[in-house]
Amino acid sequence: EDQVTQSPEALRLQEGESSSLNCSYTVSGLRGLFWYRQDPGKGPEFLFTLYSAGEEKEKERLKATLTKKESFLHITAPKPEDSATYLCAVNFGNEKLTFGTGTRLTIIP
Amino acid sequence: ETGVTQSPTHLIKTRGQQVTLRCSSQSGHNTVSWYQQALGQGPQFIFQYYREEENGRGNFPPRFSGLQFPNYSSELNVNALELDDSALYLCASSLTGSSGELFFGEGSRLTVL
Repeated sequence: EDQVTQSPEALRLQEGESSSLNCSYTVSGLRGLFWYRQDPGKGPEFLFTLYSAGEEKEKERLKATLTKKESFLHITAPKPEDSATYLCAVNFGNEKLTFGTGTRLTIIP
Repeated sequence: ETGVTQSPTHLIKTRGQQVTLRCSSQSGHNTVSWYQQALGQGPQFIFQYYREEENGRGNFPPRFSGLQFPNYSSELNVNALELDDSALYLCASSLTGSSGELFFGEGSRLTVL
């Protein structure tokens, strides 16, 4: 069964303290890996798409990378407004996305 | 360019009742997907519609059904509500072939008592 696993479940950082979130997936025909941000009580907001190992995408303080088995979302010098749940999702070659359970990120001023 | 809008935002039903949730897609998008998100979990795929036809279904029973209209708006219907149906229901629109770049609405929070 296609699975997506995110770690850690929750992460608390001081403002300015850089870190990385992990997303691993079963290797069975990846057709794209996607990162989303979700604020409490809101729908997910699309951040990045990655298709092949070695690919990297950046947006402000966020950088997403992809290997053959996992993806990392690196956050550099985070600010309190970066606090959110970050969801990883994989397209295994059909019409649906398989989501992980997310990493709840809290940035402390 | 208008985003994805969903209604109602919150609703409370009792077990056994039926509910209809509505979604208006982002302008220009011809595909709509519905996801269920339980508290503390990631979204789970319910089904997808393209050109008014169901284009894929997740592991949900037949009492979950949907419609897509010619203007690409959509409905999710759930019959015989159960307590476990309590969740945030998310509608997402996209362009065919965009694989995973979904544009989500803010969701409808359903509570079943």
